[in-house]
Amino acid sequence: NAGVTQTPKFQVLKTGQSMTLQCAQDMNHEYMSWYRQDPGMGLRLIHYSVGAGITDQGEVPNGYNVSRSTTEDFPLRLLSAAPSQTSVYFCASSLHAQTGFGAWGTEAFFGQGTRLTVV
Amino acid sequence: AQKVTQAQTEISVVEKEDVTLDCVYETRDTTYYLFWYKQPPSGELVFLIRRNSFDEQNEISGRYSWNFQKSTSSFNFTITASQVVDSAVYFCALRKGNTGKLIFGQGTTLQVKP
Repeated sequence: NAGVTQTPKFQVLKTGQSMTLQCAQDMNHEYMSWYRQDPGMGLRLIHYSVGAGITDQGEVPNGYNVSRSTTEDFPLRLLSAAPSQTSVYFCASSLHAQTGFGAWGTEAFFGQGTRLTVV
Repeated sequence: AQKVTQAQTEISVVEKEDVTLDCVYETRDTTYYLFWYKQPPSGELVFLIRRNSFDEQNEISGRYSWNFQKSTSSFNFTITASQVVDSAVYFCALRKGNTGKLIFGQGTTLQVKP
């Protein structure tokens, strides 16, 4: 069981370049999210998805695009990299399980992270 | 608005000391979830505990214990008899009941010295 797989682990980009961070999960989780981690700021939500074909913006969405064509995959695209996007990026997935007492879910499972440097 | 505050930026203790990491949250929702994650120097995020808003029972897992108090909107984490391997960044997080979105605190860096 691979869990959440993120690639690449490290990446250096030049300002203006574009790239896609890949994220895949094999747990059939409905929810998938992208966070960035910056020193002293914890993790901040970039984009999230509640299922295939459905995405929405988080707290810091500018400069990033996402799509969710399958339950398993949730890639994050940087259209024109900027030094302010230097950060560590984490993909996460979680299960939404409905019970008779309301909506419950699991904890978020995180990928290993991608350290991105934009020069 | 939802918010999580971890006022302690860094804590340094000597091995075998007890240490408490504070977490205060703000939310207007009646159904929500609270989490603690550990981030060791290797960088991955390790899930420690989940607590929903209807369950105020405290929990103990080995040397770890958690105190959830809705009256003060706090979800504090205590490590008893700390060890060097406990050195890490610890994050408290809040999730709205029916979403997968997490709001993280700023994190507390714990250093346990031998």
